[in-house]
Amino acid sequence: QAGLTQPPSVSNVLRQTATLTCTGNSNNVGYQGAAWLQQHQGHPPKLLFYRNNNRPSGISERFSASRSGNTASLTITGLQPGDEADYFCSAWDTSLRVWVFGGGTKLTVL
Amino acid sequence: EVQLVESGGGLVQPGGSLIVACAASGFTFSTYAMSWVRQAPGKGLEWVSVITGGSATTYYADSVKGRFTISRDNSKNTVYLQMNSLRAEDTAVYYCAKDSDGITGEFDYWGQGTLVTVSS
Repeated sequence: QAGLTQPPSVSNVLRQTATLTCTGNSNNVGYQGAAWLQQHQGHPPKLLFYRNNNRPSGISERFSASRSGNTASLTITGLQPGDEADYFCSAWDTSLRVWVFGGGTKLTVL
Repeated sequence: EVQLVESGGGLVQPGGSLIVACAASGFTFSTYAMSWVRQAPGKGLEWVSVITGGSATTYYADSVKGRFTISRDNSKNTVYLQMNSLRAEDTAVYYCAKDSDGITGEFDYWGQGTLVTVSS
């Protein structure tokens, strides 16, 4: 079961903006969008965005999500040291009847 | 407050079996699908299985189909993962996750995970 495609790493300077991408196909990301998860080292993942690009309560407005076709994007503005983490996208594949994850992007704040 | 607490992890020999459990609280357990997601050491997340609230429907990743069985006991607010014919590549932290809606809902709450190590 092929997963979603994410760049392995992204980095940018403190207080700048980082954009992470997640590419799938018309049966998963293109079908209902992708959810985004944040995972700090040694901790379980945490939901950042629902597939409809809404934030759960408590998630900073510095984080935003969008989708264009089969590619979902996560944008983080005003980068902070605490934003350093692994970011995963996930989507339900309506054809395969499985959940698929991206390989994850490690965000480094310089 | 939603809480998910996994248990049952440990060391098991290749070919062996293990059951991991996840006790849930803080929400109406029987109305939500539940999933198991695993993470091998230093690797990304891999979805394993999902079960609907009433246990009518289950799905599995190809990597575990025929070896793992997901089940739940709504009277105990607990979801289980029975793992048979374990292989070294099954070594991972196993997380249970609550689905936000039905079987295709996002994983909106996660447990702390339980480590399963398959080794001789």
